[in-house]
Amino acid sequence: DTGVSQDPRHKITKRGQNVTFRCDPISEHNRLYWYRQTLGQGPEFLTYFQNEAQLEKSRLLSDRFSAERPKGSFSTLEIQRTEQGDSAMYLCASSLIPLRSTDTQYFGPGTRLTVL
Amino acid sequence: AQKVTQAQTEISVVEKEDVTLDCVYETRDTTYYLFWYKQPPSGELVFLIRRNSFDEQNEISGRYSWNFQKSTSSFNFTITASQVVDSAVYFCALSGGGGYQKVTFGTGTKLQVIP
Repeated sequence: DTGVSQDPRHKITKRGQNVTFRCDPISEHNRLYWYRQTLGQGPEFLTYFQNEAQLEKSRLLSDRFSAERPKGSFSTLEIQRTEQGDSAMYLCASSLIPLRSTDTQYFGPGTRLTVL
Repeated sequence: AQKVTQAQTEISVVEKEDVTLDCVYETRDTTYYLFWYKQPPSGELVFLIRRNSFDEQNEISGRYSWNFQKSTSSFNFTITASQVVDSAVYFCALSGGGGYQKVTFGTGTKLQVIP
């Protein structure tokens, strides 16, 4: 399977703990995105990378959140000092810069975070 | 600012019925793209279609069809002869044109197909 993969699929943690999620994009896709989805809502944009450069961050991404894509391949999203409000599905997507037009983002299965 | 409205929160239909999912969007961009994604219970968003603002031709793919009308800022999705496997949450989304643009999603419509 050559789709976007995410690990872990589920994470339960206690408030105040740090968590880290991993995303492996589709091979050769140079753009990678992180979204957060809460129950009954559509995905909300968090941040985006083009190769290893983080080019945009949403205001939703507080100082406790950090994302990296060190070699332009996989990416990690870390949440420090987790809060109950961080409980959500964290989705990763990747896309390939097209010659023209906008890109189409392909999503992974998500990591469901529960903060107790 | 961009906005996508999916007024139908939940829809239930009996198998083999046709169903239309509504999507209304707002944007000030003259070039933009519209998308539909399917999210089954497993959680993964599955890309269904992308349409650019210059192409108002309707599209049909098997039992799926899409009706794009710029005059009413709508991009509706119809499933013909629905099946139980169509049960999922469907999201309409919008992005600006010209390279990378943030994608704005609607709140989704949960479709339940009853056997």
